[in-house]
Amino acid sequence: AQRVTQPEKLLSVFKGAPVELKCNYSYSGSPELFWYVQYSRQRLQLLLRHISRESIKGFTADLNKGETSFHLKKPFAQEEDSAMYYCAPDRDNYGQNFVFGPGTRLSVLP
Amino acid sequence: DTGVSQNPRHKITKRGQNVTFRCDPISEHNRLYWYRQTLGQGPEFLTYFQNEAQLEKSRLLSDRFSAERPKGSFSTLEIQRTEQGDSAMYLCASSLAGGSNTEAFFGQGTRLTVV
Repeated sequence: AQRVTQPEKLLSVFKGAPVELKCNYSYSGSPELFWYVQYSRQRLQLLLRHISRESIKGFTADLNKGETSFHLKKPFAQEEDSAMYYCAPDRDNYGQNFVFGPGTRLSVLP
Repeated sequence: DTGVSQNPRHKITKRGQNVTFRCDPISEHNRLYWYRQTLGQGPEFLTYFQNEAQLEKSRLLSDRFSAERPKGSFSTLEIQRTEQGDSAMYLCASSLAGGSNTEAFFGQGTRLTVV
């Protein structure tokens, strides 16, 4: 069974619209959660981590332990936000490191 | 470029041949990870080193795959008797060990095509 789910493979929004990329996880304990981003022709890189409670490039993510969710949000999408986004707990129930979700491709239309 | 470096960037090989990839992590990083990524999927964990010790290996990893990090610096990933299903992007990442919220820095990857 998949341990990290990102239900949307593709999400298209218009520039200036709010965006929410969904992530749900199924783990025992309390994993640390990360969002990674991959822009076109660039390497995978960290966007933000929940432990820091930071906002990066206007994105925030709130860990909801009751719903086991870690959705990524931005109030006003920009065209440069178009990329692949991966939700990643730092480990799964078997202790493996940085397990990635299947990813959501965000396309911000002009 | 002082980031994670992977070589070669592309590899085309015939089925049944052996291939070896190299990863040079960020110099002060003691953790090194290998992932495999196929089209439309997120990176799939293969194995992980802390210094020269291989601490974890995916249960999905075939015996044809072997990884080494002999001096705790660069790492190699070898695939023996390649199969068409091995075609994928192979990613290497490195990080510092220090709690659970360390960031992984990724290389550009090696794209393997088995024909």
